[in-house]
Amino acid sequence: DQQVKQNSPSLSVQEGRISILNCDYTNSMFDYFLWYKKYPAEGPTFLISISSIKDKNEDGRFTVFLNKSAKHLSLHIVPSQPGDSAVYFCAACSSEGAQKLVFGQGTRLTINP
Amino acid sequence: DVKVTQSSRYLVKRTGEKVFLECVQDMDHENMFWYRQDPGLGLRLIYFSYDVKMKEKGDIPEGYSVSREKKERFSLILESASTNQTSMYLCASIQGGGGRNEQFFGPGTRLTVL
Repeated sequence: DQQVKQNSPSLSVQEGRISILNCDYTNSMFDYFLWYKKYPAEGPTFLISISSIKDKNEDGRFTVFLNKSAKHLSLHIVPSQPGDSAVYFCAACSSEGAQKLVFGQGTRLTINP
Repeated sequence: DVKVTQSSRYLVKRTGEKVFLECVQDMDHENMFWYRQDPGLGLRLIYFSYDVKMKEKGDIPEGYSVSREKKERFSLILESASTNQTSMYLCASIQGGGGRNEQFFGPGTRLTVL
């Protein structure tokens, strides 16, 4: 069963606009969530994270929102830039899970000029 | 900066061959992981290790084994490669002990099994 789901395989956004990537999870034990960005032929790089004790975390153009009751998180990128075009993976872990991450399927974001 | 390196960026092997994928990290991290990435499936955990000579199965260990003889090195072994093991393989490491959970990834090895 897929414990972390990214239901949109792809997303296309115009440069300068907001990009919103969504992620849902099913395991109530997850208490830490991360977003990774991946370019082709490269390994994923960490982007931003959020603990379950918070509902928002912001870092420059990137903001992650967590809705625990809905088991949903989202990544907002404002404003979107061409260099943001990549695959974005949502990941989750629990403090009992020994730092094992469970990843979603990924969303390919394309920023159009 | 943490650096995780993988021995090959691209590898082509034949069915039935034994394949070794090497991963080295330079930050004295205790925990290391092997994933495979396939389109539409995300990253799936194959094996991980908490310490030298220790290993645990991930979600898809069948057809794979691992070796961790030194803290900085974690090897993934395909005992008899098959075409369904054609994939992108990613190694990651993280300092143990809880706290922040950001794993650091290597560049990946694109393995093709013919």
